[in-house]
Amino acid sequence: NAGVTQTPKFRVLKTGQSMTLLCAQDMNHEYMYWYRQDPGMGLRLIHYSVGEGTTAKGEVPDGYNVSRLKKQNFLLGLESAAPSQTSVYFCASGTGGGYNEQFFGPGTRLTVL
Amino acid sequence: AQKVTQAQTEISVVEKEDVTLDCVYETRDTTYYLFWYKQPPSGELVFLIRRNSFDEQNEISGRYSWNFQKSTSSFNFTITASQVVDSAVYFCALSERRTSYGKLTFGQGTILTVHP
Repeated sequence: NAGVTQTPKFRVLKTGQSMTLLCAQDMNHEYMYWYRQDPGMGLRLIHYSVGEGTTAKGEVPDGYNVSRLKKQNFLLGLESAAPSQTSVYFCASGTGGGYNEQFFGPGTRLTVL
Repeated sequence: AQKVTQAQTEISVVEKEDVTLDCVYETRDTTYYLFWYKQPPSGELVFLIRRNSFDEQNEISGRYSWNFQKSTSSFNFTITASQVVDSAVYFCALSERRTSYGKLTFGQGTILTVHP
């Protein structure tokens, strides 16, 4: 099993450009999450999904959109990238409920110039 | 609102020293879950331990041990006889049962450097 994979691993964008980050999991998890990691701030939840076809806002959703058309995939979109979105993005999946251990992908390092 | 504080931004020790990483949390829920994750220089997040709010027993796993004290809202992590391979960023995280989607609130992280 590959677990949680993320594409791409690195990306450099110019301000105003758009892009989509892809997350895929092969563990049949219902719940999927997108976090961003910034120095000194830990990881913060951007959006999450509790099942195919559902999405919801997390702690820092502004400037991002998501879609969960298939259970195994969770896409994170930036419509008009800004330098403040320079970060490392992690996708995670889990079984839900407070007790669930979340399995994280390897991360995507995004730089917006 | 839930909050996790890791007051130690960076810790530097020499190999074989013991080191304790502090974690203090805030929650209004009576049922909650605490986690520790390790992020080595390669960047991935590695799950270390999960503890629920009803289980205050300390846990030991090899050189790692965790001290959970509800009275002080703390969930501290100790590495005994540290090794260079322990160098990493360590995150403490909290999840509340009432947020059934399992949102994790992370602390700021503690950068641990173990020198040979």
